[in-house]
This record gives sequence, structure tokens and C-alpha cells, in this order.
Amino acid sequence: GAVVSQHPSRVICKSGTSVKIECRSLDFQATTMFWYRQFPKKSLMLMATSNEGSKATYEQGVEKDKFLINHASLTLSTLTVTSAHPEDSSFYICSATGVSSYEQYFGPGTRLTVT
Amino acid sequence: AQTVTQSQPEMSVQEAETVTLSCTYDTSENNYYLFWYKQPPSRQMILVIRQEAYKQQNATENRFSVNFQKAAKSFSLKISDSQLGDTAMYFCAFPNNEKLTFGTGTRLTIIP
Repeated sequence: GAVVSQHPSRVICKSGTSVKIECRSLDFQATTMFWYRQFPKKSLMLMATSNEGSKATYEQGVEKDKFLINHASLTLSTLTVTSAHPEDSSFYICSATGVSSYEQYFGPGTRLTVT
Repeated sequence: AQTVTQSQPEMSVQEAETVTLSCTYDTSENNYYLFWYKQPPSRQMILVIRQEAYKQQNATENRFSVNFQKAAKSFSLKISDSQLGDTAMYFCAFPNNEKLTFGTGTRLTIIP
């Protein structure tokens, strides 16, 4: 149980375009979803926290207009990187919590490359 | 603010040996959880073990165990009989309300 999927696993896009990453909880209802960014050989950096039906809460220094987060249902959250630039290339990971809110279940991650 | 410190950026041990990864944290809370996550080359984050602060007994999951010293705010992970599949990044994590604060990680390599 407690499986989280992400799609796509890898994406390459051109500079200036937008790309959407989906995060789904497959077998539980996710009350809260989190989006992280991870640079090579570094730890996870929390970008934002989202609750179903409400606006995401962004961490300090994260541009909310660039990284649009939508949490439309209890099983789906999306991260849209708008007007992507090469410096947005990174590994993006989502996680979700269910009823037992202390434990986060992680998706497999999405590698974004902006050319 | 809660902080999590992992002072060993890299470690390597021979297969079948025992290795201990260190983690210290800072908090003013009394009741909390602590986690160790593993991130293998696939980059999927996997929960290795969790500890509840109010429990005096150290958590154990098969070959993985923790040494939880609440007063010292120390939470080390011991891997016994290490296997090649244990090669990964290991992150100590502390929940801050619903968020997780991660340490900087320890890259563990198991040598055949």
C-alpha cells in the first residue's frame, strides 16, 4: 500500500516552454502533497506544500509564478514549470501524506532537462 | 527552527561488515518522530526505519537499527551484515509540523 506515482519519469523541453509533472497517490487519499527539488548529490529541498482544494504554500525563495502547483483532488497534484530555463533542469520529487500525517510516501521522481 | 546534521558525507565498508551513520538534530519539542530514508541509484526514496521519541526502546527493522539518544539529540543508524544493495544515499529526517527537514545525506558504498 501507500504508492505514489509520478509522470513523466523523464522529460526534455526547450527553453521558454512549459512542462507539467503529475503526482498521484494510487491507493490512498492524500491530504497533503509536497514537491521537492533535488540537485545532483544534494539533499531534498522542499519547494511547496499543497492541500486539496486550496492554494499551495511555497517555501521562501521559490517563485510561485514559475512553479505552479495544483492539487485538484485527493489523489492528484501537478507541478507546472512555466517558461522553463536551463537552470530549472533538476530532479523533482513529490510525496504525499494520508491519514497518518507523520509519514510521507515518495514518488519515483521526474528528471527535467531544459535545453 | 529544527535542524538536522549528518556529519559524514561519504562512507564505505566491506560487504558483511557493520556500519553506523550518524545524525544529530535540534528541536525544542518533546514528542516527535525521526526517520531514516534510503535513496538508491534509482533515486526512489525509501523509508528505512522510524523512531518515536516517547519510546525508550530503539527501533529495529531486520538488519537496520537505530541508537536513539534523546537527551543528546542523536539518532544514528546501524546497518548490520551490510549487503551490496545497501549502497545508497541515506538521509536522516525530522518532521516539522507536516514538513520534513532532511539532513545533507551520507553516501554509503558497500564494497564487494
